[in-house]
Amino acid sequence: SAVISQKPSRDICQRGTSLTIQCQVDSQVTMMFWYRQQPGQSLTLIATANQGSEATYESGFVIDKFPISRPNLTFSTLTVSNMSPEDSSIYLCSVEGVRLAGGPGEQFFGPGTRLTVL
Amino acid sequence: AQTVTQSQPEMSVQEAETVTLSCTYDTSENNYYLFWYKQPPSRQMILVIRQEAYKQQNATENRFSVNFQKAAKSFSLKISDSQLGDTAMYFCGQSGATNKLIFGTGTLLAVQP
Repeated sequence: SAVISQKPSRDICQRGTSLTIQCQVDSQVTMMFWYRQQPGQSLTLIATANQGSEATYESGFVIDKFPISRPNLTFSTLTVSNMSPEDSSIYLCSVEGVRLAGGPGEQFFGPGTRLTVL
Repeated sequence: AQTVTQSQPEMSVQEAETVTLSCTYDTSENNYYLFWYKQPPSRQMILVIRQEAYKQQNATENRFSVNFQKAAKSFSLKISDSQLGDTAMYFCGQSGATNKLIFGTGTLLAVQP
C-alpha cells in the first residue's frame, strides 16, 4: 500500500489568484494522477504525471490552467491558476500500486484538498 | 472511449440486510479492470473490490462480492450483512491499457439502523 498526504487540506482563495497543491507519497511510484471532484459529483481525471516527462492532460483540462510538476518519484504539485468560483472543488492525487497479473494495480488516493474560491 | 454508468444516485438498506449497487460500462479494450471504491464522509477513497475482465469468476472480499456479466458489460456490487460503517458514496470504476481510472457518477448508500 501507499500512504499519501496532501497540503493544504483546505483553502479559501480569492478570484484571480493561484493555489499550488502538494502531494507526497511514502514510496517511489511511477505514475501519479490528479483528479477533481466538484461538489456532489464524481471524480474526474485532470492529468497523469510521470516523473521525467510532461504531464498528460485529459480533454477539457489544459496546462496553462492546471500546471503540474513531478520533480521526483515521491512528489507532485498541481497548481490551479487564475481561479474562479467554478474551480471550487476537492482535488485529489492518487498513485498506482503494484501491478497485478500485468494489469493496473489498485490506486491509492490522498485525502484531498478542499478548495473554495470566492 | 471508456464510460461508466451508475443509474442509482441513492440507495438505502436496513442494517444486516443485503443491497446491490448497479454499474454498467463500455470499452473497446479486451483487457481491462473494474473496481468499486468507497468514499465515506471523511472523503478518503478506499478500494472495496477489484475484478480482472479476463477472469470469469466473480471477485469476493468478505461481505462484498460482485456480479460480473462481461457480455452485458455489467458489474454490480453486492453488500451482505450491511453495517452502519458501510454508509458512503460508492464509485464504480474502469481501467484499461492506459491505467487511467474512469469513474461513474456514484451511488450514495445509507445504511439505516
